[in-house]
This record gives sequence, structure tokens and C-alpha cells, in this order.
Amino acid sequence: EVHLLESGGGLVQPGGSLRLSCAASGFTFINNPMSWVRQAPGKGLEWVTGISETGSSTYYADSVKGHFTISRDNSNNMLYLQMNSLRADDTAVYFCAKDTGDYFDSWGQGTLVTVSS
Amino acid sequence: DIVLTQSPDSLAVSLGERATINCKSSQSVLYSSNNKNYFAWYQQKPGQPPKLLISWASTRASGVPDRFSGSGSGTDFTLTISSLQAEDVAVYYCQQSYSTRTFGQGTKVEIK
Repeated sequence: EVHLLESGGGLVQPGGSLRLSCAASGFTFINNPMSWVRQAPGKGLEWVTGISETGSSTYYADSVKGHFTISRDNSNNMLYLQMNSLRADDTAVYFCAKDTGDYFDSWGQGTLVTVSS
Repeated sequence: DIVLTQSPDSLAVSLGERATINCKSSQSVLYSSNNKNYFAWYQQKPGQPPKLLISWASTRASGVPDRFSGSGSGTDFTLTISSLQAEDVAVYYCQQSYSTRTFGQGTKVEIK
């Protein structure tokens, strides 16, 4: 059974940084692209960033380009999201999602990031 | 970027009745090389992550009841719940993967 467990969320001041982690199990991690999707309180889903199986290719939504960085550690089945220069509108639940390359077939429970002074 | 626009934003349907949600893409998500629509539908219940319902516009995911069906091609897609059940109360999202990834704004389905 696929299991994705996000961690690292919390309260951070505007302009601060945070690193999210996603521990993956139950599937062959290196065979799958992965993505982060976020959901602001009471709002819809927003795809944030994705990474290829090997990590050689990364993709970003315009809203986070230049201040978020996605990475992965295939040796330890871990996905990461480094978030810098955080703004109030980055406040959201961040989901780690298993990306088949065409759709998201498994999701974690999410981790809440709150950007506030 | 591809923009997905869902309609309606919300709908209330009686138990056992049909619910229909539409999603229009700002450009075609059909790859002519393999004749596949890079398009999916998700269901999200309160406090839960989204759950994949339909991939490739019309292929039900494993374990999804057959009252859920997807149709359409190119730029216009529909999710139909043929006989609404109480457990179907949720927000439904469309999503494309033709060019990076984007989601529709969501449609909230409630019981009338």
C-alpha cells in the first residue's frame, strides 16, 4: 500500500524559510515523478512543483518560481520542498502526491504551513 | 498556462438523482500521437486529501463506484454521478497534465 507522510510544516514569519519533507513507502519511488500540491484555507487545489524520476528535471508554477525548490533523495525514498522568502499567500496545506506522469494517484495527508508575523 | 474552468461552482442534488459537473480547458489536452486526453477528476471530502476518480478523461480508478463516469475530449469534459449518494458530498476538481499541471477551481456537491 502506498504511503506518503509529509512533515516540516509550521508557523513562519514573512520572509522566512521552511523545508518540507515527504517520506514515501509502498511503491518503487525511483520509478515515479512526484509533485507538491497546495491548498490555501477554504480554497481550491494548486499544483506547485514537480520532479522527474531521477530528479534531473523540475517544474514550477509561476507563483513559486524562484523561491521554492523541489528535490528528492531516491536512496531514502524522500521528497523535499525548500521554501524561501515566504509570503502570506504561501499559507496552505501542502500535499505530497505520487505523480504517474499523467495524474496523481496517491496523496499524503498534508502539512500546514502558516506564514504570519 | 492551461486554464480549467469548472461549472457550476456548486450544485445541490436530491439523493438518487443525477449530478453533472463540467470542465472547460483553455486549450486542447488531447495528444494526437496517442489519442489520449491528459485529463483527470478528483474528489475531496472535508479534512481529507483528494482522491483520484477518473483518469484519461473516462477511465475509472480502482475501487471507484460505477455511478461515477467521465466523458469528453479536447477542451470540454464532464463528470457525471448517475445516482447521488450521501457519501458523494464533496468538492470535485478537474486537472490537466498536457502542459505541466493545473486544476479547476472546484465544484461543491451537496444534498438538496
